[in-house]
Amino acid sequence: AQSVAQPEDQVNVAEGNPLTVKCTYSVSGNPYLFWYVQYPNRGLQFLLKYITGDNLVKGSYGFEAEFNKSQTSFHLKKPSALVSDSALYFCAVRGMNRDDKIIFGKGTRLHILP
Amino acid sequence: KAGVTQTPRYLIKTRGQQVTLSCSPISGHRSVSWYQQTPGQGLQFLFEYFSETQRNKGNFPGRFSGRQFSNSRSEMNVSTLELGDSALYLCASSLSLGTGAYNEQFFGPGTRLTVL
Repeated sequence: AQSVAQPEDQVNVAEGNPLTVKCTYSVSGNPYLFWYVQYPNRGLQFLLKYITGDNLVKGSYGFEAEFNKSQTSFHLKKPSALVSDSALYFCAVRGMNRDDKIIFGKGTRLHILP
Repeated sequence: KAGVTQTPRYLIKTRGQQVTLSCSPISGHRSVSWYQQTPGQGLQFLFEYFSETQRNKGNFPGRFSGRQFSNSRSEMNVSTLELGDSALYLCASSLSLGTGAYNEQFFGPGTRLTVL
């Protein structure tokens, strides 16, 4: 069965410092992996995805994520955090079959401290 | 291009009532998925529709149902509401089924349902 774990409910980072939001997954076969961000009273916004190819994926707003197959991880990173990055971040996984469902993690709340 | 729209944005109902939520996908998108978001359970998949057919279903009771129309608009219905149904219901649209290089999901702002 597919699953996604975001081990941290909340991450606090000082503005200007690098940030990492962790995600590990479990899926049979090769995974499709996603990161979404949710701002207050808004729906989810797509940040980036890993389908195949380079393990380092670059996305919106300066975010990137590294796919690590041996550690089954897909951590979200940004070299220099902005206060405006404060939001709820979701990692998601989907299998390769056409009818596979997308499974979301519980979310990690990111606080960027000015 | 207009984004995914959901109506209504806020809804208050009482236990035992039923509710219908509406989702209009991005023009040209044929797949619509529904999710329930709660603080305790996070985001949970409800169902996915494509070409007016339910293609996938999450682990929710039969009180939760949906449909898709020929113009790809979708509705979900919850009957006999319970307090635990209070949640943000999110709709997402994509071009097609599955996960292709360009088949991303675009989410609407959600409908906040409160059951009293």
